[in-house]
Amino acid sequence: GAVVSQHPSWVICKSGTSVKIECRSLDFQATTMFWYRQFPKQSLMLMATSNEGSKATYEQGVEKDKFLINHASLTLSTLTVTSAHPEDSSFYICSARVRLAQGSYNEQFFGPGTRLTVL
Amino acid sequence: GQNIDQPTEMTATEGAIVQINCTYQTSGFNGLFWYQQHAGEAPTFLSYNVLDGLEEKGRFSSFLSRSKGYSYLLLKELQMKDSASYLCAVRSGYSTLTFGKGTMLLVSP
Repeated sequence: GAVVSQHPSWVICKSGTSVKIECRSLDFQATTMFWYRQFPKQSLMLMATSNEGSKATYEQGVEKDKFLINHASLTLSTLTVTSAHPEDSSFYICSARVRLAQGSYNEQFFGPGTRLTVL
Repeated sequence: GQNIDQPTEMTATEGAIVQINCTYQTSGFNGLFWYQQHAGEAPTFLSYNVLDGLEEKGRFSSFLSRSKGYSYLLLKELQMKDSASYLCAVRSGYSTLTFGKGTMLLVSP
């Protein structure tokens, strides 16, 4: 299957600082990328959907000014957690979907996740 | 909105068969996915159903009944490495996936 990478795999930062997480589709072009957040023993919660070259669509309750998403190319999306606080500590997972194709179920491929800990 | 329900935890022994159920309510149903997720890792794709019936893939099978809003994941010949969380996810239209809370499966010797 297609490969999605994330960097960094884990990060520890001080409260008030900003953290950038990169998501790359390594061997395919992803017209759509998704950012999820997962708290311990909880399911994946979609934060936002981004399409290459356009603004991200945020889910209800997700602050777009706090979680900045940039999808500058068909292989790269970034999530920046601005002014991070301890409650932002979570497992952030990106997912990429290939260009919609007729007859395809348009599988989403997941990155390995980034563990963010805010002190 | 969408509502996806699956058991929180299940236990089984090595070599046995286990069935994990998932019920859902959604509009514009366009497929049901099962993912496996080990602790601290991203989900990995297991199966996809969009039509009624059973899809078999090695030790794993997935069943779908659209009229009942019901699916199950069947795992045969359980191995210790199958201990993980199993996520049921539903797609509505061409939108993204909505995940259930996951079923934590513990396989014991």
